[in-house]
Amino acid sequence: DVKVTQSSRYLVKRTGEKVFLECVQDMDHENMFWYRQDPGLGLRLIYFSYDVKMKEKGDIPEGYSVSREKKERFSLILESASTNQTSMYLCASSLSMSGANVLTFGAGSRLTVL
Amino acid sequence: GDSVTQMEGPVTLSEEAFLTINCTYTATGYPSLFWYVQYPGEGLQLLLKATKADDKGSNKGFEATYRKETTSFHLEKGSVQVSDSAVYFCALTEGQVGGKLIFGQGTELSVKP
Repeated sequence: DVKVTQSSRYLVKRTGEKVFLECVQDMDHENMFWYRQDPGLGLRLIYFSYDVKMKEKGDIPEGYSVSREKKERFSLILESASTNQTSMYLCASSLSMSGANVLTFGAGSRLTVL
Repeated sequence: GDSVTQMEGPVTLSEEAFLTINCTYTATGYPSLFWYVQYPGEGLQLLLKATKADDKGSNKGFEATYRKETTSFHLEKGSVQVSDSAVYFCALTEGQVGGKLIFGQGTELSVKP
């Protein structure tokens, strides 16, 4: 069964800390995505990557960066965490950029910034 | 820009009731439309999809028809079960770029025995 694994389910960090959220997929998918999920707002795209070492900004990239050094791994980085980044973060991958393509999601990482 | 609007939740139904969750969209092109479901403590998973007008997606007793004339993709199920309790998200692809999904705000469904 295909899988997207997010390394941390729950994290608690302090304001100003650097935070790494890791995501690994075992499906040899080309594309990987980071979404943020907040109640009443649905999911919003932070960054995505369609190839190793490539990245594109999504709708809300401010305060985040990403790294994709290997095809299977896509990391989300909060350089200096702030309380308004407290949220659920969802990683996803897809095989191609076809418009009908389906995303496979990880279970999510719930981040609390104090 | 493109957007998706879902009916607000939470929706509470008794087991075996009929379910409708409304979803309307605005899009400049011809997007694909999706329903994803998120069970408690899990990530999202695809429930069904439709890629062109008048297509009907179906899975696990759920159905949705891509209505271009009304820009809608309403989710329906004839008889819900307690196990259907989850959050349901309507989504569309932005342009033709797969994976760049635009999501609605989600509708929480609670089914009581």
